[in-house]
Formats: sequence, structure tokens, C-alpha cells
Amino acid sequence: DAGVIQSPRHEVTEMGQEVTLRCKPISGHDYLFWYRQTMMRGLELLIYFNNNVPIDDSGMPEDRFSAKMPNASFSTLKIQPSEPRDSAVYFCASRRGLAGADTQYFGPGTRLTVL
Amino acid sequence: AQSVSQHNHHVILSEAASLELGCNYSYGGTVNLFWYVQYPGQHLQLLLKYFSGDPLVKGIKGFEAEFIKSKFSFNLRKPSVQWSDTAEYFCAVIVGSSNTGKLIFGQGTTLQVKP
Repeated sequence: DAGVIQSPRHEVTEMGQEVTLRCKPISGHDYLFWYRQTMMRGLELLIYFNNNVPIDDSGMPEDRFSAKMPNASFSTLKIQPSEPRDSAVYFCASRRGLAGADTQYFGPGTRLTVL
Repeated sequence: AQSVSQHNHHVILSEAASLELGCNYSYGGTVNLFWYVQYPGQHLQLLLKYFSGDPLVKGIKGFEAEFIKSKFSFNLRKPSVQWSDTAEYFCAVIVGSSNTGKLIFGQGTTLQVKP
């Protein structure tokens, strides 16, 4: 398996622009997670899905952020409009099965820079 | 709210030195515990995990961790570090026996091993 795939790997955009980050989980995994990593706040869980349904979006910072999972093999995280403070590395992760019994696998991340 | 504390933010060691990174969590119930490693420029990878059984867990690359329930701790150890262990290390926990799926991460510890 190719692992969790994220695109793009790097994104540089200007403040006010819309940004869409993409994730393809490992085939057969029914949980998908979006995280944000910054120096100041470390790794934060933004939202996670189970069987394509959002379960907990309490970590989404504000209405500018939205996430979708239209099918089992694809998810997007959208920021509209983007702001400089959104600059971070965004990781997608996927897992199969019950909490603790299975490992969560992370993608390579998307490094977002908002100018 | 549940939290994970990593006491050492930045550790510098010489090769062959012994390593112990502290991790404490704040939750009185059932927990599943993890250590992840992030090598420079790479994504997070699982080092080891504990969810039941022997509280001394052995992971990849010679790492081990001990779950001490009375101390709410899950410290990571390695008897002799190598230059290639230079990375950021994250302790994480999933709380509760239900299938919540939420990994709560510590702030991370940056380990620098001098050759």
C-alpha cells in the first residue's frame, strides 16, 4: 500500500485566497483525521471522520475551515479565505478499527504558507 | 479536559548516551498510549504503543516505554542513542474504552544527538 497520500506537499498562497488540501487514506481504513502542526501549538486535531461521516469537528478553528469526505478514498480540507496565521503543516491520518487496537498512519503533510 | 505533558522540550545528547523522555497524561480511566517519532522533513511514524498487558512495551529501533498507571506516566527510553535518532518525539493518548478515536498529543520533545 502507498500509505496515506496528501497533495499538494507545499502550498504558497496570498491572504484571502481559497486553499484546498487533499487526502487519500489507506484503503480499508474507516477513520480519517486532519491535524495541524505549528511551532506554537504543536499537533492539533482539527476534525475526524468515521465511515465518511464527520464525528468531531471541535478542533476546527473557525468557520473559514471546512472539511469533507465524499467517499471512503478522498477527503478535503478547505480554508476560505486564508490568513497568514493559517500557515502550518497539515497532516492527514487514517486508521482502521477500534481505538487503541490499530495504529494511526500519517501522511507526509502539506506545508501551507499564507503570505 | 484530558491532556498530555512532555516535560523535556529540547534534549541534546551525545551518541551512546542513554535517553529517557518524560510523558504524563491527565485522565483517570482506561487509556491507550503511543509514542510517535517525526524525523526531519518527514511525517509521524509510530514507535510503540500500549493498550493492555505488559506495561513495558518494546518498539522499533531499540526504543521502549513503561506504563506506570499510578504515576500517569509513559516514559520513553533507549539505552544508547545514535545520531540517526535525531528527531521530534510525540507522546499521545486515546482516552476511554469507547471508540472515540481522538489522539491527544503532547507538545513534543526535540532530540538532538551529537555525533
